[in-house]
Amino acid sequence: AQSVTQLDSHVSVSEGTPVLLRCNYSSSYSPSLFWYVQHPNKGLQLLLKYTSAATLVKGINGFEAEFKKSETSFHLTKPSAHMSDAAEYFCVVSLYGTASKLTFGTGTRLQVTL
Amino acid sequence: DSGVTQTPKHLITATGQRVTLRCSPRSGDLSVYWYQQSLDQGLQFLIQYYNGEERAKGNILERFSAQQFPDLHSELNLSSLELGDSALYFCASSVAGTTYEQYFGPGTRLTVT
Repeated sequence: AQSVTQLDSHVSVSEGTPVLLRCNYSSSYSPSLFWYVQHPNKGLQLLLKYTSAATLVKGINGFEAEFKKSETSFHLTKPSAHMSDAAEYFCVVSLYGTASKLTFGTGTRLQVTL
Repeated sequence: DSGVTQTPKHLITATGQRVTLRCSPRSGDLSVYWYQQSLDQGLQFLIQYYNGEERAKGNILERFSAQQFPDLHSELNLSSLELGDSALYFCASSVAGTTYEQYFGPGTRLTVT
């Protein structure tokens, strides 16, 4: 069984300040981990993925995430928030090495203020 | 643009009716997945097809069914619709490789009145 817990349902930051969205995972096997973003009334876009290679993963739009097995965490960060980053972010887990279903966290809504 | 297409974008129908949602995967992708996004349940996996065969089932109701055709497009059939079936339905596809990330279509918003 696998699951993810997103520790914050809502995060608010000022434009130009760092972003931290927290995610803990649980998996009986080696996981693949992803972050997806959903802008209002839009579909889901893949931000980045971890698949047992480098533990620090770089994604699109300046986002990155670090896989920490000892802490079972996969937090998403960005050094400087932009207004266009305002969206819902989902931490996602699946089984590594197979084409299998994605298990989504409950989402974190990121608000960016001026 | 992910390369995954879904039709229709919006669907409004009455309780008790039946609808069909259509998905075309990215070129070359053999796996198709269906997900439901609702306010109370979040994003949930419904069903997966791989090269025409059902591969995995999630929280899919018996009133719902799906299939994948030889050209790899997929259809999700929802019948005896209830108000609670109102949701965003996403299709995703993935390529057989080492990472298996899934690419999502824009979704079909179903409203049952």
